[in-house]
Amino acid sequence: EAGVAQSPRYKIIEKRQSVAFWCNPISGHATLYWYQQILGQGPKLLIQFQNNGVVDDSQLPKDRFSAERLKGVDSTLKIQPAKLEDSAVYLCASSSTQGVRTDTQYFGPGTRLTVL
Amino acid sequence: KQEVTQIPAALSVPEGENLVLNCSFTDSAIYNLQWFRQDPGKGLTSLLLIQSSQREQTSGRLNASLDKSSGRSTLYIAASQPGDSATYLCAVSIGGFKTIFGAGTRLFVKA
Repeated sequence: EAGVAQSPRYKIIEKRQSVAFWCNPISGHATLYWYQQILGQGPKLLIQFQNNGVVDDSQLPKDRFSAERLKGVDSTLKIQPAKLEDSAVYLCASSSTQGVRTDTQYFGPGTRLTVL
Repeated sequence: KQEVTQIPAALSVPEGENLVLNCSFTDSAIYNLQWFRQDPGKGLTSLLLIQSSQREQTSGRLNASLDKSSGRSTLYIAASQPGDSATYLCAVSIGGFKTIFGAGTRLFVKA
């Protein structure tokens, strides 16, 4: 079974530029998550999708971050314009959610973003 | 507001030692608790998932316990090996499908 795929693996940009990350979850997984992990900290949930719909985006900085999940499969996360504090690893995860309980989350390798 | 704390932040042990990693959470209304492993430059790998109705889960040399009433979980690693060196993260799932992570414990097992 293929895992969660993410691209690119690394990205370096200047502040105020825009950047986009792509995620392909495990086939059949209804739930997709985007996390931001700053060095030395645990991942922080940015947005969670259930199929096409957004379940939680309360910690997404909506003035600069946006995300979409087309046809309930692939997802893209965009930052525009980027700030220095956006430097982090962006992790995508997916799970096969049943009812009100969440099942095991499977993570991709992440995209390391450096904003100069 | 749910907060997850992991102690210690870092741990160095000799090979073969049994060890315990601790995770505490402030709100006992959780759906489940997961332990993850993260290797440098890589994503997270799920180790054990404990549903709120369960007390413990075991996988190989790993055993995780959950005490909701006290807001605590422990990850026990038996006979540690250098390959166990990584950062271990715990995460709780709360209402609305939200997952809250701790900052992790960095483990180094010396050969």
